[in-house]
Amino acid sequence: ELKVEQNPLFLSMQEGKNYTIYCNYSTTSDRLYWYRQDPGKSLESLFVLLSNGAVKQEGRLMASLDTKARLSTLHITAAVHDLSATYFCAVDISAGGTSYGKLTFGQGTILTVHP
Amino acid sequence: KAGVTQTPRYLIKTRGQQVTLSCSPISGHRSVSWYQQTPGQGLQFLFEYFSETQRNKGNFPGRFSGRQFSNSRSEMNVSTLELGDSALYLCASSLVVGGLNTEAFFGQGTRLTVV
Repeated sequence: ELKVEQNPLFLSMQEGKNYTIYCNYSTTSDRLYWYRQDPGKSLESLFVLLSNGAVKQEGRLMASLDTKARLSTLHITAAVHDLSATYFCAVDISAGGTSYGKLTFGQGTILTVHP
Repeated sequence: KAGVTQTPRYLIKTRGQQVTLSCSPISGHRSVSWYQQTPGQGLQFLFEYFSETQRNKGNFPGRFSGRQFSNSRSEMNVSTLELGDSALYLCASSLVVGGLNTEAFFGQGTRLTVV
């Protein structure tokens, strides 16, 4: 069974600092997604990573995928308060012929950015 | 382009009752997946429908069921509600290309409270 683990689960940062959230998964996959969730809200798609070595950047966030290491990272540069939210990675293994339409999520990382 | 629409947004039900939740996908998306989100278990996959067929099902009891209509709208039903069914229920829609789901877009969710 696929396991997806994020760390850290809680991240308290000062504005202006850099940090990285890690997402490890247990089964071969080259389809990984990052989502953001604000309190009481739905999931907002941030990044779609579909191949080994994929790197995507949007503003202060950059995501990468290493399928050999089964690892994705979400790097935060010069954090600002607006980035405070919960971040989830999600892995899709349906390319193996099963698990259609199923995303397996990590536990989520609660990010708080302080002034 | 309209996003994924879930109704109702909030529901309060009594133990033993049943409930039906609705999800209208993004126009052109024929796959709808359902997830349950709770503080203790995180985001868990319920089931996925594509072209009115359930292709995949998560590890939930038979009290949880769903269906999809010819216009791709989907409903999920929970019978004999238990307190533990209190959760945010999210649906996601996606395109299917070559049999595989593309990026999933989530609705705002239905917050179900069982008392």
